[in-house]
Parts: sequence; structure tokens; C-alpha cells
Amino acid sequence: QTVVTQEPSLTVSPGGTVTLTCASNTGAVTSDYYPNWFQQKPGQAPRALIYSTNNKHSWTPARFSGSLLGGKAALTLSGVQPEDEADYYCMLFYGGVLRWEFGGGTKLTVL
Amino acid sequence: EVQLVESGGGLVQPGGPLRLSCATSGFTFNSYWMHWVRQGPGKGLVWVSRVSGDGRSTSYAESVKGRFTISRDNAKNTLYLQMNSLRDEDTAVYYCARGVRGSYGTDYWGQGTLVTVSS
Repeated sequence: QTVVTQEPSLTVSPGGTVTLTCASNTGAVTSDYYPNWFQQKPGQAPRALIYSTNNKHSWTPARFSGSLLGGKAALTLSGVQPEDEADYYCMLFYGGVLRWEFGGGTKLTVL
Repeated sequence: EVQLVESGGGLVQPGGPLRLSCATSGFTFNSYWMHWVRQGPGKGLVWVSRVSGDGRSTSYAESVKGRFTISRDNAKNTLYLQMNSLRDEDTAVYYCARGVRGSYGTDYWGQGTLVTVSS
């Protein structure tokens, strides 16, 4: 069974920098997993932020960036704003079986 | 403007069927893969299924394989999810999402439709 793991929760101060990670129990996450990142605020649909590791959508704020870090996918928020408080989900693509898996999500608190 | 609007959710008894629809506009529908993703009450996102632009290729999460069928009508710019043999654990908000062209992710999402499986 494929399991994608994220930090359950993180706290960051306004203006600070925080990195969220996304790991797979199948091994190191590479660009072949086409990591995606999503933001979800209470009562709202998810909003796509990053695709294919580090590509931003037209609406993605510049302070969000994606990368690979130590065998994991990573989402870094630089200059965190109060409105960035939300749940963040990663999604990985498993090409061998043409399936996608979400991580359990990270609850980011800005305090 | 890209729009995705889900419908068809509601209360259904265990073992029953339900069909969800996702009406789309603002883009060339048949050029994009489409996905269904669900979220149980208070839980995280779960990928459910995906269909290719021409409808010929599909894939499913193990938890729904054999019970759910994804399809599309490119003439109507509409995506469907036929759900059979529904279980309590299928209770969730179901979102449709557009695939990213040339990659394996999603960009635009609908607002979701709630499916409640209960007797």
C-alpha cells in the first residue's frame, strides 16, 4: 500500500519562512512523481499552488516555491502572511499504476 | 473563465447507486484529462479516479475500483462519476478537477458536491 507522509502540523511567525515536506514509502521522491501542492482553507475547495515539483500556476503567489529536498518533495513559504494559515496537501503521481496519492496534509498555523 | 460545477450529490442508502456530474466551461474540454477527488468529513483529500481527454483511458483508486466508473461526454463538456454499491466510508465531498496539460497534476477545481451514504 502506497503511503504519502506530510508533517501533521507546523507553526510559523508572520514574515518567517517554513518548509513543508512530502515523502513516499516507495522510496525517494523524484521529479518522476510530478509533485503537486494544494492549499485548502476551511469551507473552501482546494486551490492548486505547484505542479511538476516547482512550477507555479498563474495565480500562485511568488512567496510559494516547490523543490526536492533530501529525497522528499518540499513546499517553501517565504515571508509568510497571516492569510497563508491553511491546510496544505501534496499529491504524487505513481506512473507504474497510473494513480495519484495525496499526503495526509499539513495544518499550517501562522502565529 | 474556466468553470467546473459539480452536481448530483445527496443522501443515498448503503448499497445504492448515485451518479455525479461535473459541467465545465471556458476551455477545450476534450484536450484535458479530468479527475475526481473526495474528502470525507474532517479528513484529507483522496484521489478517486481519472479519465483521458478522449475517454478511452481510465484509472481508479483501489478503494473504488470495480464500484465506480468515470466517464465523459465531450459533446456536452461534462464529466461523470457513476458510483455503485456505495458504502458508509464513501461519504464525502466529491470534487472534479482539471488535469494540467503536459504534466500529471491538476489545476482548476470545482466547489464540490456532498454525498452522504446512510440508512
